Amino acid sequence: EAGVAQSPRYKIIEKRQSVAFWCNPISGHATLYWYQQILGQGPKLLIQFQNNGVVDDSQLPKDRFSAERLKGVDSTLKIQPAKLEDSAVYLCASSLGYQETQYFGPGTRLLVL
Amino acid sequence: KQEVTQIPAALSVPEGENLVLNCSFTDSAIYNLQWFRQDPGKGLTSLLLIQSSQREQTSGRLNASLDKSSGRSTLYIAASQPGDSATYLCAARRGGNKLTFGTGTQLKVEL
Repeated sequence: EAGVAQSPRYKIIEKRQSVAFWCNPISGHATLYWYQQILGQGPKLLIQFQNNGVVDDSQLPKDRFSAERLKGVDSTLKIQPAKLEDSAVYLCASSLGYQETQYFGPGTRLLVL
Repeated sequence: KQEVTQIPAALSVPEGENLVLNCSFTDSAIYNLQWFRQDPGKGLTSLLLIQSSQREQTSGRLNASLDKSSGRSTLYIAASQPGDSATYLCAARRGGNKLTFGTGTQLKVEL
C-alpha cells in the first residue's frame, strides 16, 4: 500500500515570496492533516480536513496561509507572503476516519531566506 | 490547553543498554497517547498507541506505559541498538483526533 506522498521535498525561497506544497494521502483516507514542525519542536497541527471540509484550522495563520482539498483527495498548502519564521518542515498526514491512526508523509523542508 | 513535555531532550547511550524516555502531559482527559519515531529527513512512524483505558503496550523491544492520573507515559527500549538512533516523540490525543506533540527526545546509540 502506498504511503502519504508529498512534494516538493525541499524548497528554498526568499521572504515575501509565495510557495505551495502538495499532499496525496493514502487511498481511501477521508481525513487529512497539515502540520508545521519548527526545528527542535514537535509538530503543530495547522489544519484538518474531513473529506473536502475543514474540521479544525484554529492554528492556521490565515493572513498568510491557505489550504484546500479539492474533491476530498489531494491537498495543497500555500504560504503568501512567506516570513523567515515560516522555515520549518511541513508534514502531511492522513487517516481512514475521524478518530483513526494518522499516517505521516516524509514532509517538505522549507527554508525562507 | 494541553501541554506535552519530554525529558531528556537528548540522550546518548552505549549499545545494549536499556533506557527509558519520559513524557508528561498537563490534561489527563486524553483519548490515547502515542509514541512516534522520526528519522532525519523522514516523516513520523507510529511505534505504540496506548488507549486511555490501558496501562501499557508492548511491541518487540519496546514497552510503553501510561499513568493518566499522574499525567505520565514512559517508553522503555530494551537492549538498545545503533538502529534505534532517532528522535522519539510522544503525542496526546483528545477527542476529534487532535494530537498534541512533545518536543521529542533525540536518542543516539553508540557502538
